[in-house]
Amino acid sequence: GAVVSQHPSWVICKSGTSVKIECRSLDFQATTMFWYRQFPKQSLMLMATSNEGSKATYEQGVEKDKFLINHASLTLSTLTVTSAHPEDSSFYICSARGTYRGLNQPQHFGDGTRLSIL
Amino acid sequence: AQKVTQAQTEISVVEKEDVTLDCVYETRDTTYYLFWYKQPPSGELVFLIRRNSFDEQNEISGRYSWNFQKSTSSFNFTITASQVVDSAVYFCALSEAGFQKLVFGTGTRLLVSP
Repeated sequence: GAVVSQHPSWVICKSGTSVKIECRSLDFQATTMFWYRQFPKQSLMLMATSNEGSKATYEQGVEKDKFLINHASLTLSTLTVTSAHPEDSSFYICSARGTYRGLNQPQHFGDGTRLSIL
Repeated sequence: AQKVTQAQTEISVVEKEDVTLDCVYETRDTTYYLFWYKQPPSGELVFLIRRNSFDEQNEISGRYSWNFQKSTSSFNFTITASQVVDSAVYFCALSEAGFQKLVFGTGTRLLVSP
């Protein structure tokens, strides 16, 4: 159980394109989803936290207008990188967290999306 | 503020050697969780273990073992008789009560050669 699917696995696109990444919880309801970013040979840094039905909370230094996050249902969150540029190339990983009897459960991670902007 | 330090950037061992990956954390919370994840070259994060702050018992799972010591704020990970398939980046992470956001260490790259 607790499977998180992230799509696409990798994407290559031209500079100026907007790219959408999907994160789905397949067998549980994810009240909260997290988006992380990882540069090569570096650690994972939290970009934003999204709760179903409300606006995402962004970490300091993350551009809200650049990285649009939507969490419209309990099983789907999307990250859209708008007008992507080469410096946005990175590995993006989502995680999803549900609840059980009112208590938060640990996060489960998707397999990540490798984004390359040419 | 929460912080996780993995001082070892990269470790190289030969197969069958034992190796310990260090993790030191900082938090003001009395209730928190510690995690270890493995990230192979393919990129996905593989969950290895979760520990809560009230459980200091060491844990062993096959060739893996973990040593949690609150007195030194450490949560070290030992691989016994390492294998080539253990080659990966290993992350230690911390979250406060309620499984809020995870704070990751910088990772330790383990290279196991035949």
